[in-house]
Amino acid sequence: DIQMTQSPSTLSASVGDRVTITCRASQTISDWLAWYQQKPGKVPKLLIYKASYLEGGVPSRFSATGSGTEFTLTISSLQPDDFAAYYCQHFASDSPWTFGQGTKVEI
Amino acid sequence: HVQLQESGPGLVKPSETLSVTCTVSGVSVTSGGYHWSWIRQPPGKGLEWIGQLFYSGSSNYNPSLKSRLTISSDTSKNQFSLTLNSVTAADTAVYYCRALEAGLGGRGDWGQGTLVTVSS
Repeated sequence: DIQMTQSPSTLSASVGDRVTITCRASQTISDWLAWYQQKPGKVPKLLIYKASYLEGGVPSRFSATGSGTEFTLTISSLQPDDFAAYYCQHFASDSPWTFGQGTKVEI
Repeated sequence: HVQLQESGPGLVKPSETLSVTCTVSGVSVTSGGYHWSWIRQPPGKGLEWIGQLFYSGSSNYNPSLKSRLTISSDTSKNQFSLTLNSVTAADTAVYYCRALEAGLGGRGDWGQGTLVTVSS
């Protein structure tokens, strides 16, 4: 089964910072990866699908790249509303669609 | 957008069976364009993928839950469900259902989630 490893697990940052979160797959998953944002007590929100496609309504300060085994989510200028947990999830066929363990972005 | 609404028991006793249903509106569960997925989140912890039904009718389960898990659909009610046997406190979580657009690597809608607590 494919394992997803996110780093860092916690990230301390300030408003205006450029922030990067990494997700590594234990095997190649092509571009079958999504990124989510979750705030406490809320439903996860899709940010990015198919590795680099920005979901409608998501601010353009969010971007993502990667294919194969290494993926990154970047927030170009961190805003107060962005302090949250972020998760990656792969969708490669013939394997359980596991999540990364999450990254908490805090002040 | 697809609308999804989970319904569950709220409280289940240890060793009993947990069942959660997701009612779908806006598209048929037999639609060839969607996969139907379950995710859970224990209190204070990360997201855990449970499993899904592919539009083809096949299914894929989390190996750690596979021996206790069944995911099925009721086309007459436009619903899909999960059943988890022999539950323990570790199964206490918010259970979410999702409609995933086939071939779009994660794009799709979420239900609001339902908290199921396993306790005597």
